[in-house]
Amino acid sequence: DGGITQSPKYLFRKEGQNVTLSCEQNLNHDAMYWYRQDPGQGLRLIYYSQIVNDFQKGDIAEGYSVSREKKESFPLTVTSAQKNPTAFYLCASSRDRGGHSNQPQHFGDGTRLSIL
Amino acid sequence: AQKVTQAQTEISVVEKEDVTLDCVYETRDTTYYLFWYKQPPSGELVFLIRRNSFDEQNEISGRYSWNFQKSTSSFNFTITASQVVDSAVYFCALSERWRSSGGSNYKLTFGKGTLLTVNP
Repeated sequence: DGGITQSPKYLFRKEGQNVTLSCEQNLNHDAMYWYRQDPGQGLRLIYYSQIVNDFQKGDIAEGYSVSREKKESFPLTVTSAQKNPTAFYLCASSRDRGGHSNQPQHFGDGTRLSIL
Repeated sequence: AQKVTQAQTEISVVEKEDVTLDCVYETRDTTYYLFWYKQPPSGELVFLIRRNSFDEQNEISGRYSWNFQKSTSSFNFTITASQVVDSAVYFCALSERWRSSGGSNYKLTFGKGTLLTVNP
């Protein structure tokens, strides 16, 4: 079945450590997104990629980095510069590729990141 | 700046009751899109509906219905005869045109969500 796979489901980070969250999609979608969700909050956009080898900062990009070397993959690295990384991270994808299309975003199951 | 307000933080109903989740938005765009997503306890967001700003027809899908009123900037969601399986967090979201190096696209601004609990 087509969908978005995020791994791991749970992740623990030590102080000063970088960790990478995986996001893979087999929907042949051009656009991919990373969101952060804190308790009682909506989703906030971290990074966004419209096409391979291109990505844009979202509203809260500081302390995070991404790459988009393949259409199917959009990994997110939470760096040691992110002082409050404990949150639920959601990856999404959509068919959009510029213009005025506005397709629904499809989401993965999320990764819950905690600090040890 | 765009904004989405879901004033109801939590709602608790008894099974078979009808329930309406409110969503009010602000935008300066003349062309925009509104969405509702459901987030069950498992965590993933499930797409429910998309509406564009030029289509004010209300929509019904089974027990779900949506009332879009541009005059009041509202896009409310009603569940008729609620069931325990409807228990989830529901998010309203508004698209925003976002111009990047790759061209024009949209990004979503989410409300903070409404936690709906349907009790048996």
